[in-house]
Amino acid sequence: ETVMTQSPATLSVSPGERATLSCRASQSVGSNLAWYQKKPGQAPRLLIYGASTRATGLPARFSGSGSGTEFTLTISSLQSEDFAVYYCQQYNNWPPGNFGGGTKVEIK
Amino acid sequence: QLQLQESGPGLVKPSETLSLTCAVSGGSITNRTYYWGWVRQPPGKGPEWIGNIYFSGSTYYNPSLKSRVTISVDTSKNRFSLRLTSVTAADTAVYYCARVPRVAKAAAGTGAFDHWGQGTLVTVAS
Repeated sequence: ETVMTQSPATLSVSPGERATLSCRASQSVGSNLAWYQKKPGQAPRLLIYGASTRATGLPARFSGSGSGTEFTLTISSLQSEDFAVYYCQQYNNWPPGNFGGGTKVEIK
Repeated sequence: QLQLQESGPGLVKPSETLSLTCAVSGGSITNRTYYWGWVRQPPGKGPEWIGNIYFSGSTYYNPSLKSRVTISVDTSKNRFSLRLTSVTAADTAVYYCARVPRVAKAAAGTGAFDHWGQGTLVTVAS
C-alpha cells in the first residue's frame, strides 16, 4: 500500500503570505495525485489533479507541482477563505484513493 | 449543474447494516467518462476511500473494507448506493458520495473526486 505523508501538520501563515504544503508518497505515484481543501461542515473541494492541473474555477494563486514521490501545493498569497485543512490523495497504485493525514493552514 | 445528494439513516446500531443512497442530478450516471464513489471521514480524522462503481456495475473496493462493503448502481433512477455490514463505532463518520473522472493512466476504477455531495453523518450507537 502507498502511504501518503503530509507536512507540516499545521502551518501558521499571515494573510497575504505564501504557503507551501508538502506531500510525500512511499512509492512513486507518477503524476496521479490530487489536492483537496476541506473546511468544517463542507465537503472536500478538489483543487488540483494530475499533480499540477487546477480544477475548474480555481484561482491562480493555487498551484501544484511534483511527480513521483514528492509533491507541493503552493498558495501564493493567502486569502482569508484559504484557511482550511488540505489533503493530498494518490490514485496511481492499488489500492488507490489513499489520502494523506492533512495539513491545517491556520492564521498566524 | 451536477448535484449529488446522500440520503439514509443517521443512526445505525452496532452489528447492523449501514445503507446510503446517492442521487445524481444534472448529469447521467451512465456517462462513460466517470466512476461514482463513496468516501468517509471519521470525526477528527482524514478522508478514507470506500469504493467506486462504474455504470456497468463494475466495482472497486478499499481492501480494508471489502469484506463488508457493497456498492450498487440503479441507472433507471440515476443513483448509486452503499451498504456496509456489521458496523461498529469505528464506522461513525460523515459519508460522502462523489464523481470520479476516469483517468487513462491510473489505478483501475479510480481518479480524483471532482464533485461531491454535501455529506451525511452516520453515527453507530445503540
